[in-house]
Amino acid sequence: GAVVSQHPSWVICKSGTSVKIECRSLDFQATTMFWYRQFPKQSLMLMATSNEGSKATYEQGVEKDKFLINHASLTLSTLTVTSAHPEDSSFYICSARLDRANQPQHFGDGTRLSIL
Amino acid sequence: KQEVTQIPAALSVPEGENLVLNCSFTDSAIYNLQWFRQDPGKGLTSLLLIQSSQREQTSGRLNASLDKSSGRSTLYIAASQPGDSATYLCAVSFRLTGGGNKLTFGTGTQLKVEL
Repeated sequence: GAVVSQHPSWVICKSGTSVKIECRSLDFQATTMFWYRQFPKQSLMLMATSNEGSKATYEQGVEKDKFLINHASLTLSTLTVTSAHPEDSSFYICSARLDRANQPQHFGDGTRLSIL
Repeated sequence: KQEVTQIPAALSVPEGENLVLNCSFTDSAIYNLQWFRQDPGKGLTSLLLIQSSQREQTSGRLNASLDKSSGRSTLYIAASQPGDSATYLCAVSFRLTGGGNKLTFGTGTQLKVEL
């Protein structure tokens, strides 16, 4: 089955640090990748949708200068949390999908980000 | 607005009981609906995917149904086991006006199966 690898799985860093999270589709080419955020005891909220080779589309309320997304190839998307602060601490999950909207999304295992 | 609601928010049952989790959604223009399982602090495990043209899907002790016209889906778990304890998330892939889709998650049902 389709596998999505997310790295790192856990990050602890100081306030003001920028953190990069990678999302890779291991056995398929992902035209579209998605980034979600999950706060404790809440559901997943879509942050942005990225298509290979083009700019990401951000959901309302998500700061694009804060959360930089790069989808440079069909197998890799990165999310960089710039100048992270404690309120950015959360569980970030990526997913990847083939080229059609009716295809299922395959999820990574998530990255737990803790900003001190 | 395209929304997904899950009821109940939490459920505790004795081992061996059959149970039903409910999911409702506000827009029938969907591509598909997925049920996921999430263990504490972990990522998502996909359980079942139902395309918009389908009525149900089965995998082992799990059966998911879809009634697109009424905006409802159920996840039936037969003969529950303590290992089934987790949060179950319903996610609906809504069609967008300009094309494409948006996967919207419900708030989940936290299930505890007790010995």
